[in-house]
Amino acid sequence: NAGVTQTPKFQVLKTGQSMTLQCAQDMNHNSMYWYRQDPGMGLRLIYYSASEGTTDKGEVPNGYNVSRLNKREFSLRLESAAPSQTSVYFCASRTGQVYGYTFGSGTRLTV
Amino acid sequence: QQQVKQSPQSLIVQKGGISIINCAYENTAFDYFPWYQQFPGKGPALLIAIRPDVSEKKEGRFTISFNKSAKQFSLHIMDSQPGDSATYFCAASMSGNTPLVFGKGTRLSVIA
Repeated sequence: NAGVTQTPKFQVLKTGQSMTLQCAQDMNHNSMYWYRQDPGMGLRLIYYSASEGTTDKGEVPNGYNVSRLNKREFSLRLESAAPSQTSVYFCASRTGQVYGYTFGSGTRLTV
Repeated sequence: QQQVKQSPQSLIVQKGGISIINCAYENTAFDYFPWYQQFPGKGPALLIAIRPDVSEKKEGRFTISFNKSAKQFSLHIMDSQPGDSATYFCAASMSGNTPLVFGKGTRLSVIA
C-alpha cells in the first residue's frame, strides 16, 4: 500500500532512555516532516526536510535530532527522553506546496 | 506566538445541521490554506484546500470560505452526519514548499 509508514506504533520509555522513530514513504515525495500532537496544542512541527540532504528545525526542536537517510526515510531520535516528550508523533510527506501532506498513522510515546 | 487561531475548540451539531469552524491568521505571506480531518487513532487526512485568489471552494458537503481582507477562513459542513464526527485542523503555509502551520483543532461531534 502506498503511503507513509511509521514504526513503532506504541512505545514506553523511562526517563533518560533513547530511541529512534522510523518513517518511510513510497510516493517519491521530496519533503518530509515530523510533528507532535498534544491535547489542546494541535500539531507542532519538530523538524522537516525540504529535500534529500537537507534538514531544518521547526517550532519545537529541543530534545530531538533527525536524519534524512535517503529520499524515502526520515527518522526522529530522542537522545534522552523526558516526560515532556510524551506525545503522539506524526510523520508526513508531500511533493510540493499545492499538494497536501500524507500523514502516517502515528507513534504514541509515553515517557 | 500562534500563527493560526482556530475556534471553537469543540462543537456539537445535530444530524443534518451545518457545522462551521473558523480560523484566523496574521501572516499575509500565507498563500495556501488546507483543512485536515482526523479520526481517533489515525493520522490527519487532507479534506479540502484553498488559495487566496478565490473566495470560496466547494467539494461535496464541504465548503471553504475565504476572506482575504479579514485574514479569516472557515470550513462549512452541510447536512452534517455522525460519520463527520472527528477533529478538524485548519492550516496555512507560504509559497516555496514551507511547512504547514496548524491551528489547535476542533473536535466535532454530530449527534442523531
